[in-house]
Amino acid sequence: AQKITQTQPGMFVQEKEAVTLDCTYDTSDPSYGLFWYKQPSSGEMIFLIYQGSYDQQNATEGRYSLNFQKARKSANLVISASQLGDSAMYFCAMREFNSGGSNYKLTFGKGTLLTVNP
Amino acid sequence: DTGVSQNPRHKITKRGQNVTFRCDPISEHNRLYWYRQTLGQGPEFLTYFQNEAQLEKSRLLSDRFSAERPKGSFSTLEIQRTEQGDSAMYLCASSGQGVSTGELFFGEGSRLTVL
Repeated sequence: AQKITQTQPGMFVQEKEAVTLDCTYDTSDPSYGLFWYKQPSSGEMIFLIYQGSYDQQNATEGRYSLNFQKARKSANLVISASQLGDSAMYFCAMREFNSGGSNYKLTFGKGTLLTVNP
Repeated sequence: DTGVSQNPRHKITKRGQNVTFRCDPISEHNRLYWYRQTLGQGPEFLTYFQNEAQLEKSRLLSDRFSAERPKGSFSTLEIQRTEQGDSAMYLCASSGQGVSTGELFFGEGSRLTVL
């Protein structure tokens, strides 16, 4: 089974509107972290937001918020007030703290291509 | 610039040739990672170093691939006898003990095209 599933290959949003990018994950480790990264066409992966499995509140960073539903194993990214510069690939990733191997590596989903229309 | 640096940014080679990529991590970071990303996919983990020790290698890392991190600073990823299937973006990332979330800081990647 895939550890990270992003079911939306592409999403479109109008400038200034909000958009939700979906992410579900699969782990039996009770201690894990969830990340969202943005990858513009230049190729660099840019860290956006982090949610720990034991965090009681949903993470927020400026226009980014993470809708964390632990029981459903989902960690959706919400971008408010979309801007043209938000057009990029977005990747959800997970770190498992007790995976038995390196507990520092991240496992990524296949990504969602977001296009912001003017 | 104190971010993760990778070079070369682009490499075009003929099948069967050897190529080497270099990664300079953020100076205070003791952990270094190599990932491979093919078109339309997310990054896939290849290998991980803590200081100079290579602690984990993915099954994706065939015996044609070798990575080193002498002295625990920069790292090199060498691909011997390249194949067309090796064409991908090779991403390097680093992380340090001071970052509580364990986020990885990525370089801009080295794009390999095998003809």
